[in-house]
Parts: sequence; C-alpha cells; structure tokens
Amino acid sequence: GNSVTQMEGPVTLSEEAFLTINCTYTATGYPSLFWYVQYPGEGLQLLLKATKADDKGSNKGFEATYRKETTSFHLEKGSVQVSDSAVYFCALSDLEETSGSRLTFGEGTQLTVNP
Amino acid sequence: NAGVTQTPKFQVLKTGQSMTLQCAQDMNHEYMSWYRQDPGMGLRLIHYSVGAGITDQGEVPNGYNVSRSTTEDFPLRLLSAAPSQTSVYFCASSRTGGNTIYFGEGSWLTVV
Repeated sequence: GNSVTQMEGPVTLSEEAFLTINCTYTATGYPSLFWYVQYPGEGLQLLLKATKADDKGSNKGFEATYRKETTSFHLEKGSVQVSDSAVYFCALSDLEETSGSRLTFGEGTQLTVNP
Repeated sequence: NAGVTQTPKFQVLKTGQSMTLQCAQDMNHEYMSWYRQDPGMGLRLIHYSVGAGITDQGEVPNGYNVSRSTTEDFPLRLLSAAPSQTSVYFCASSRTGGNTIYFGEGSWLTVV
C-alpha cells in the first residue's frame, strides 16, 4: 500500500534560517505529491503540489521537487519567518485509483521559528 | 465562496453518546471524505464517497457511519462515542480524479 514518511520533529529554527523537511514515499503507480500546512487552531491549507516526476511545486517561498528516482518530495525554504511556524504534512494521492483522489499523509512536522 | 463547511467546530461528548458531524460543499464535487488527525499519526482516512448513494470504508472506519444522500452533504455519525475517538476531524472534497483536494476547517471532538 501507499505510505509517506516525514522527518521526525519538532524542528526549531531561528528567523532567516534555511529549512528542509524531508519526505519520502512508497506508492504504486504515479502519485501526485502535496505539502499541506496547518497553522495553530486552523484547518489544512494546500501549500504546494507536484503531479509528475521532476515537477517543482512552489508557493510563499517554499518549494519541493518530485524526485521519482529517490521517491522523495523534500520541502525547502531559504529564509523562514516567525509566521511560518506551523505543522507541515507531506501527502500523496494515487490518481490511478478509480475510486477518486484519496490522500495518504505523513505524520506531520511541527516547525517553530524563533525571532 | 463557502468551499467545504464543517459543523460544529468544537464538541464535548460523554462516553456512549451519539452525535453527527456535518459536512457540506458547494463546489459540486463528486468525491468527499472524512479524516481524523491524531498527534504523531498525521491524518487517517475514515470513510469516503465517490458520489451520492455510494460510500466506502477508509483506513479507520470502526465506530463511524456515513451516508451520502446528496452531492453536497456527507455527515459523519458516531453511534456510541468512546474516548479513543477524541480527535480532530476533517472533511474534504474533490472532483473524482482531480488532484486538488479541499479541506474544511476541522471539528475538535473530545469524548470524556
């Protein structure tokens, strides 16, 4: 079956530091890959996505590249801000399922950015 | 643009009580689903539906019932709440085969 593994958290950084959150996956077929963000007390928001190998998703300074050869989709940001403090979820959707889009999530990584 | 709307946002139940979490979407999406979020476990799929009148089980269906009488609504029922069902619940919708999935804001449920 499908699975997603994220780096263990929590992650604590100083403002303007470089961020990497690792994500690897196992899937049959050709999944789409996603990063979702959850700010304190709020629901999930789609941060970025990539639908095929070598695609790069980007949004709000975050980016991630779909690497089929390493089955990875690591999230990066060059300079984090206090407002980036949140929980980040890596997820995949196996579009080959005829039953529709179902997401498999990683465990989530709590990011705290200190001023 | 309401998107996916969940109610209630917060609820406290006693063990053995029943309740229904409501979910509605106004995007005419065929596909709807319910997830639960627990610390250190990410989100796990409870039940999903590919259209009105069609539902199926996800990864953690025990203790929950669903129905889909209309395209817009997908309620989640807890028949006899247990403390293990204390969690945050998210409803989601998408077009069948679409790769953009929209989430509601979540429902925080505590069972005491």
